[in-house]
Amino acid sequence: GDSVTQMEGPVTLSEEAFLTINCTYTATGYPSLFWYVQYPGEGLQLLLKATKADDKGSNKGFEATYRKETTSFHLEKGSVQVSDSAVYFCALTPTSGTYKYIFGTGTRLKVLA
Amino acid sequence: DAGVIQSPRHEVTEMGQEVTLRCKPISGHDYLFWYRQTMMRGLELLIYFNNNVPIDDSGMPEDRFSAKMPNASFSTLKIQPSEPRDSAVYFCASSHSVGRQETQYFGPGTRLLVL
Repeated sequence: GDSVTQMEGPVTLSEEAFLTINCTYTATGYPSLFWYVQYPGEGLQLLLKATKADDKGSNKGFEATYRKETTSFHLEKGSVQVSDSAVYFCALTPTSGTYKYIFGTGTRLKVLA
Repeated sequence: DAGVIQSPRHEVTEMGQEVTLRCKPISGHDYLFWYRQTMMRGLELLIYFNNNVPIDDSGMPEDRFSAKMPNASFSTLKIQPSEPRDSAVYFCASSHSVGRQETQYFGPGTRLLVL
């Protein structure tokens, strides 16, 4: 079945460092891809999304590009801040069917001042 | 808009007790989802509703779990009897539709601890 695989955390970075969180997926056809972020004590919220191959989603300095050839949707940010400390979830909605979200296990990011 | 509202935010109970979690979706959203989040299993979809009707409950772990949506602005997830392995964070989410590009809006979650 469809699935999402994320890199294990936690990821610890210094402020202003470059961030990459890897996400790969297994799915038939062309799923939609998402990154959600969960700040401490809060629910998940959409960070960015891409719905077709080569699309780039971006928001708040974060970017991710839908790569069909490598089945990947890696999250990047050029300069992280302490306020970016959170858990990041990669997710997809399948090409067909019930459109239920399939979430990765989440990657915890800790940014140190 | 106030967003998705969940109550209580924290619940501590003893094994065997009944637990009821509550959710108020965003006004105008036709879909409501219940998720469970644990360290071991990550984020799991338990059930979702469309226009107050349960559509897919295949994620409900067992008969001890039940969910209802009596109207468009209220849903409950009930566990009876509760067990320690039910300890988790339970999220409610809502969306306008379930298209492939649709965003789901999550509540802050209810952290449940069953002793």
